[in-house]
Amino acid sequence: NAGVTQTPKFRVLKTGQSMTLLCAQDMNHEYMYWYRQDPGMGLRLIHYSVGEGTTAKGEVPDGYNVSRLKKQNFLLGLESAAPSQTSVYFCASSLASGTYEQYFGPGTRLTVT
Amino acid sequence: AQSVAQPEDQVNVAEGNPLTVKCTYSVSGNPYLFWYVQYPNRGLQFLLKYITGDNLVKGSYGFEAEFNKSQTSFHLKKPSALVSDSALYFCAVRETGGFKTIFGAGTRLFVKA
Repeated sequence: NAGVTQTPKFRVLKTGQSMTLLCAQDMNHEYMYWYRQDPGMGLRLIHYSVGEGTTAKGEVPDGYNVSRLKKQNFLLGLESAAPSQTSVYFCASSLASGTYEQYFGPGTRLTVT
Repeated sequence: AQSVAQPEDQVNVAEGNPLTVKCTYSVSGNPYLFWYVQYPNRGLQFLLKYITGDNLVKGSYGFEAEFNKSQTSFHLKKPSALVSDSALYFCAVRETGGFKTIFGAGTRLFVKA
């Protein structure tokens, strides 16, 4: 049982390049989330999904797109990277009922130069 | 709108002493409250939660938290701190009737031997 995994762990992009971050969970969770973590700002929600084929915007969605084609996977895309998107990105998942605690992946450290 | 405040950027305690990490919240309706811990270069780990019932909740690694409805607080406590408790701690509140969890900015706990 791997829990929540993220690939890649590190990435350096040049301004304007694109990339996709992959999140996978093996806990059969309905809800999945993408956050970014910046110093002194806690975690800010980028996008989330409440089920396969459905996504919604969070706090800071601009510059990002997501897709959830399969229940276990949640992809985060950057179409044209900007230095302001330099951050650590975390994926998380939770059940749709019960107490809703989230399970987090190990993170992806992205630097945009 | 829901919000979470962690008034201290850093808390310093000596090993063996009790520790408290403070959290206050603002929600409409009944809150779902959480504490998470983050060790260096890792994702967040769930520590404990308050949903309903007893105001004192116990969680992992000997931590507990006290829910105080009148003061809208949910402080994290431990009777005897360990050096290994040194980490970044996040308080969070789940959006009432929604899908999102709001995280505080985090408090860094430093336990000195």
